[in-house]
Amino acid sequence: DGGITQSPKYLFRKEGQNVTLSCEQNLNHDAMYWYRQDPGQGLRLIYYSQIVNDFQKGDIAEGYSVSREKKESFPLTVTSAQKNPTAFYLCASSPYPGPSYGYTFGSGTRLTVV
Amino acid sequence: GQQVMQIPQYQHVQEGEDFTTYCNSSTTLSNIQWYKQRPGGHPVFLIQLVKSGEVKKQKRLTFQFGEAKKNSSLHITATQTTDVGTYFCAGLGGEYGNKLVFGAGTILRVKS
Repeated sequence: DGGITQSPKYLFRKEGQNVTLSCEQNLNHDAMYWYRQDPGQGLRLIYYSQIVNDFQKGDIAEGYSVSREKKESFPLTVTSAQKNPTAFYLCASSPYPGPSYGYTFGSGTRLTVV
Repeated sequence: GQQVMQIPQYQHVQEGEDFTTYCNSSTTLSNIQWYKQRPGGHPVFLIQLVKSGEVKKQKRLTFQFGEAKKNSSLHITATQTTDVGTYFCAGLGGEYGNKLVFGAGTILRVKS
């Protein structure tokens, strides 16, 4: 079945460490997105990519980095510069040209800084 | 930051009662989307509305897009325990450009 796979489901990080969250899709979608979800705040856009080797900052990109070397993969790195990284991270994809077709979400990664 | 306003934040209903959540945007939208997130799960796309005054139905769910394309509502008739979750609206267009901007969501709890 086609879908989006995020791993790991749960992740614990020590302060000062970088950590990379995986997102893989087999839907042949051009566009991919990373969102952060905090209680009571809905989903906030971190980064998005509409085509391989290209990506743009979202509303809360500081302290995060991404790459899009393959159409299927859009990993997110949470760097030590991110001041409050504990959150639920959701990866999503949609057919080009993007949001007009609705998003398919992965099951998310819950990151906790210890 | 930019956000679509969504109310109420939380609603607890008796099974069989109706439920409505509302979204409001300060900008005219090109379309609005609705998602459902079950407890512990991820958002699932429900529907998209693009036309002024559009009304769409999915079984007991009725979605409406305002005439000015600045507001939208989701109405559930005769709620069931399977309706439990958080319902998000998300707007596209206007000041939001090509980025989908989510509301904070309405948490629905159903008492049986």
